[in-house]
Amino acid sequence: EVQLVESGGGLVQPGGSLRLSCEASGFTFSNSWMTWIRQAPGQGLEWVANIKKDGSEKYYVDSVKGRFTISRDNAKNSLYLQMNSLRAEDTAVYYCAMNYYLDFWGQGTLVTVSS
Amino acid sequence: DVVMTQSPLFLPVTPGQPASISCRSSQSLLYSDGKTYLNWFQQRPGQSPRRLFYKVSYRDFGVPDRFSGSGSGTDFTLNISRVEPEDVGVYFCLQASYRFTFGQGTKLEIK
Repeated sequence: EVQLVESGGGLVQPGGSLRLSCEASGFTFSNSWMTWIRQAPGQGLEWVANIKKDGSEKYYVDSVKGRFTISRDNAKNSLYLQMNSLRAEDTAVYYCAMNYYLDFWGQGTLVTVSS
Repeated sequence: DVVMTQSPLFLPVTPGQPASISCRSSQSLLYSDGKTYLNWFQQRPGQSPRRLFYKVSYRDFGVPDRFSGSGSGTDFTLNISRVEPEDVGVYFCLQASYRFTFGQGTKLEIK
């Protein structure tokens, strides 16, 4: 059974940093692109970033370029999102998803950016 | 950037009746490899999204056959032949032919 478990969310002040993690199981993690998507409270979905199987390619939505970094550790079956210079508009539930075309999603972790 | 426009945004349906959700893209989603990367997702209340269809009409495992996906180019449709109470939620389309863009979402509720 595929499982994706996100963690690391919480309350952070504007300008602060957080590191999200996504622990994967039930599939061959090293063979899968992985993606982060976010959903602001009561809003729609926004694709944030994805990373190739071996970490050699990474792509970001324009609004987070230069502030967020996606990474992975295939030995630990884990995906990460380092978020720096956080803004109020980054407040959202952050989901990790399996594969390039978002086959399966985790339950999400809430990030709140507020003073 | 490709803009995805869904309609309607709110869809009240009587159980047993059909429902249809439209998703239109600002440019053709037919990619250079001949495939069209348009997915549909369902998000039930309090849950994370679940993919229903990929590449327009390929149904994901476990999705009831009362759901169907169709379309081409810039016009796509998610149909539910007979709505059931468990279908309540928000439905999103996603284009993945040119980066990734979601539609605004269509909230389906039971009358």
